[in-house]
Amino acid sequence: NAGVTQTPKFQVLKTGQSMTLQCAQDMNHEYMSWYRQDPGMGLRLIHYSVGAGITDQGEVPNGYNVSRSTTEDFPLRLLSAAPSQTSVYFCASGRTGQEQYFGPGTRLTVT
Amino acid sequence: AQSVAQPEDQVNVAEGNPLTVKCTYSVSGNPYLFWYVQYPNRGLQFLLKYITGDNLVKGSYGFEAEFNKSQTSFHLKKPSALVSDSALYFCAVMPHNNNDMRFGAGTRLTVKP
Repeated sequence: NAGVTQTPKFQVLKTGQSMTLQCAQDMNHEYMSWYRQDPGMGLRLIHYSVGAGITDQGEVPNGYNVSRSTTEDFPLRLLSAAPSQTSVYFCASGRTGQEQYFGPGTRLTVT
Repeated sequence: AQSVAQPEDQVNVAEGNPLTVKCTYSVSGNPYLFWYVQYPNRGLQFLLKYITGDNLVKGSYGFEAEFNKSQTSFHLKKPSALVSDSALYFCAVMPHNNNDMRFGAGTRLTVKP
C-alpha cells in the first residue's frame, strides 16, 4: 500500500512552458485534491474531485486544469507556467467528509 | 466561504511543559475540524479530527484538541511537550455539505530542551 504518490519531486520550468504533475492513490478513495503551499499562506485548494469524471474548482484554480478519468489518478496540468506558480504542490486523497492523506509534494520553480 | 485563523506564527515551549496551538474557524453550519503536522520537506500528516460527539478529541502522539462551538475554536494541546514535537502545525475546516477544506496559515512549534 503506497498511499498517495506524486511525481516528479522537483521540477524547474521556464515561463510559458506546460507540464503535468502526477498524483496517484491506491486506497480507493473517492475524494482527491490538489493544494499549493506558499510561505505564510498555509495550503490553498486548487482543484478537487469527488469521483471519477467529477472535478470542481477550489480557492485558486486559475492557470491549472485537472481531470479524473480513474479513481486512482488525478493529474494537475499547468497550461502556461508563470513565476507566480512557483510553489510546493501537494496532492491528497480521502473518503468524503473524512481526513485526507497527503503525498510527499512536488517542488516547482518557474523562472 | 469557510476560513481558519491561527493567530500565532510561532509558539515556543520548554520540553516537558504543556503546549497549546490555537485555532479559530468560520463556517456555515456544523464543521469538520482537523489538525495536521508537517515536518521539514515532508507532506502533511493527520493528527486528529472532530466530526461530531465528544468535544475533546484525542489523536496521535499524545495530542488532543477541544472543540468549542460558542468560541468557534479548536485548540491543539499536549500535556508534556517533546523536542521531537517541533514542526509546523496546520488547522483545517471543512463544512458538512461539501469537501472544500480550508487550512490556516500554520503555526511553527519549537520545543527547546
